[in-house]
Amino acid sequence: QKEVEQNSGPLSVPEGAIASLNCTYSDRGSQSFFWYRQYSGKSPELIMFIYSNGDKEDGRFTAQLNKASQYVSLLIRDSQPSDSATYLCAVNTGNQFYFGTGTSLTVIP
Amino acid sequence: GEEVAQTPKHLVRGEGQKAKLYCAPIKGHSYVFWYQQVLKNEFKFLISFQNENVFDETGMPKERFSAKCLPNSPCSLEIQATKLEDSAVYFCASSQEGQRNQPQHFGDGTRLSIL
Repeated sequence: QKEVEQNSGPLSVPEGAIASLNCTYSDRGSQSFFWYRQYSGKSPELIMFIYSNGDKEDGRFTAQLNKASQYVSLLIRDSQPSDSATYLCAVNTGNQFYFGTGTSLTVIP
Repeated sequence: GEEVAQTPKHLVRGEGQKAKLYCAPIKGHSYVFWYQQVLKNEFKFLISFQNENVFDETGMPKERFSAKCLPNSPCSLEIQATKLEDSAVYFCASSQEGQRNQPQHFGDGTRLSIL
């Protein structure tokens, strides 16, 4: 079992819709959770991080953490074509930083 | 600097040759991480440093890979006797404190091609 699991997609949503990206992790002791966006051929860019159960909002992005169920999600409201990228979930277990394999998102104009 | 600087951007080596990659972390960041991205999105952790000390090397292939972070010098990742399967993008990241609760900031990566 991988430490961090993501649905690889591809996920396609129409422009203006909500895109929902999900991530599960195996280590219950995980402490902090990050979402990175990676455009093709580019480096990962941090877009959100969350430490506590619940929701955290930043502009069009909302991160949701449920430690009891060991999942973290990212919602993108009013999706734009420029949001088309691969989204990487990363989890800090306290000992190491694990990345998921990423979910490819395409926003269709 | 304000960004993680990786050099070179591209590196081409013949199979069996040595490859050396460099990373300058963000000024003030004491932790440096190296990752290997072979396929499009599979990130593999290699090694991390706290200043010049190895923090975690559980991901490092023992035989041909080595890494250093020396004072007043860029960190380096060296691959001896490269193999075709070493072809990947190697990312360096740095963070301000330890891994605990601090995000990592990535450089643009070095694309290594082994021919």
